[in-house]
Amino acid sequence: KNQVEQSPQSLIILEGKNCTLQCNYTVSPFSNLRWYKQDTGRGPVSLTIMTFSENTKSNGRYTATLDADTKQSSLHITASQLSDSASYICVVSDRGSTLGRLYFGRGTQLTVWP
Amino acid sequence: EADIYQTPRYLVIGTGKKITLECSQTMGHDKMYWYQQDPGMELHLIHYSYGVNSTEKGDLSSESTVSRIRTEHFPLTLESARPSHTSQYLCASSAGGNKGTDNTEAFFGQGTRLTVV
Repeated sequence: KNQVEQSPQSLIILEGKNCTLQCNYTVSPFSNLRWYKQDTGRGPVSLTIMTFSENTKSNGRYTATLDADTKQSSLHITASQLSDSASYICVVSDRGSTLGRLYFGRGTQLTVWP
Repeated sequence: EADIYQTPRYLVIGTGKKITLECSQTMGHDKMYWYQQDPGMELHLIHYSYGVNSTEKGDLSSESTVSRIRTEHFPLTLESARPSHTSQYLCASSAGGNKGTDNTEAFFGQGTRLTVV
């Protein structure tokens, strides 16, 4: 069964600190992995997308890593800001269907305190 | 900023009413999707479309229907709303790619928060 598991479920950090969010998946055959940021009551916004051959990708203070062998990914946030408070969703796409089906994790709810 | 729009943002209606949630994108994307998301839960695919006159049901059973008469427009209709339909509905689109290898970005609308009383 294709699944995406994220940890931790929620995380509270102080402004300026770094944090790392984890994603494990069983989706096969793998096509790509995406990290999205979703503010409360809004639609998800893409942060990074990585294919099988990519190990790391950065977008400003966000750095995603991918280990396709162990089927794990992480999202590292550097020097957190209050505006980073949101749900971070790991999304894995398969290449075994015409749709390139997207499998969503439940997200990690990040809260940044001043 | 993604050019994909959903209306209304919030909707409170009575049981038994017929409603249509609108979704439009101006990016010329062939693929469009509807997802349902409950608080703190993952997104579940309820409908998708590859292009005009192409619609398919997703993973999550839904009593809603969709149509794709124009590339830019993908409305979702509930013929008779019930309290169990209370949820957030998210529309998305992507440019698509070759069969089974879509590495293009999916853009999401802001969502419609539906409450059926």
